[in-house]
Amino acid sequence: SYVLTQPPSVSVAPGETARITCGADKIGSKGVHWYQQKAGQAPVLAISYDSDRPSGIPERFSGSNSGNTATLTISRVEAGDEADYYCQVWNSGTDHYVFGPGTQVTVL
Amino acid sequence: QVQLLQSGAEVKKPGASVKVSCKASGYTFTTSGISWVRQAPGQGPEWLGWISPYTGNTNYAHSLQGRLTMTTDTSTSTAYMELRSLRSDDTAVYYCVRSELPDPFDVWGQGTMVTVSS
Repeated sequence: SYVLTQPPSVSVAPGETARITCGADKIGSKGVHWYQQKAGQAPVLAISYDSDRPSGIPERFSGSNSGNTATLTISRVEAGDEADYYCQVWNSGTDHYVFGPGTQVTVL
Repeated sequence: QVQLLQSGAEVKKPGASVKVSCKASGYTFTTSGISWVRQAPGQGPEWLGWISPYTGNTNYAHSLQGRLTMTTDTSTSTAYMELRSLRSDDTAVYYCVRSELPDPFDVWGQGTMVTVSS
């Protein structure tokens, strides 16, 4: 099976930059999606296909994907960005979606 | 706007079955598939499977095959997820999401808490 790895937590001061990684074998060959989930709420799509930002998502959110690592970058972090972030890919080998274990972002 | 409205919370005993509904509005139901995702307490999301309301085709995750059935009723724009032989580790929030393979999930239901406890 295809396994995605994420750091359990990332801490960042307001105004700084948070980088959340999602690692897997040759993930750069797949389209990676990122979801933001705030406490008690359903996940929200934050980045699709590596770097596309859906309408309503601030420009401070960006993504990249190469080699064995995809990265979600949050610039000029705000208190409202505190949430869990999950990466997701479509595994064409099994025709199944796979989620990463999630990264908790804490704003200091 | 596009919405997915799910049925209410359920409490079931081990070995029982649960059926969760998901009513779609704001778009033509047969033009997009529906995936089901669950999230156990403190855990990340787990994709359970997908159904096409247009064709009835399904694609289930291997982990629940045999216990899981997804159906749709196009006359009411409603999708259903039935899970049988419930165990305590099936306790989770279950979400329906609008989903066209292999695209990301752009619209989520509000979630249905299913608790399995004796």
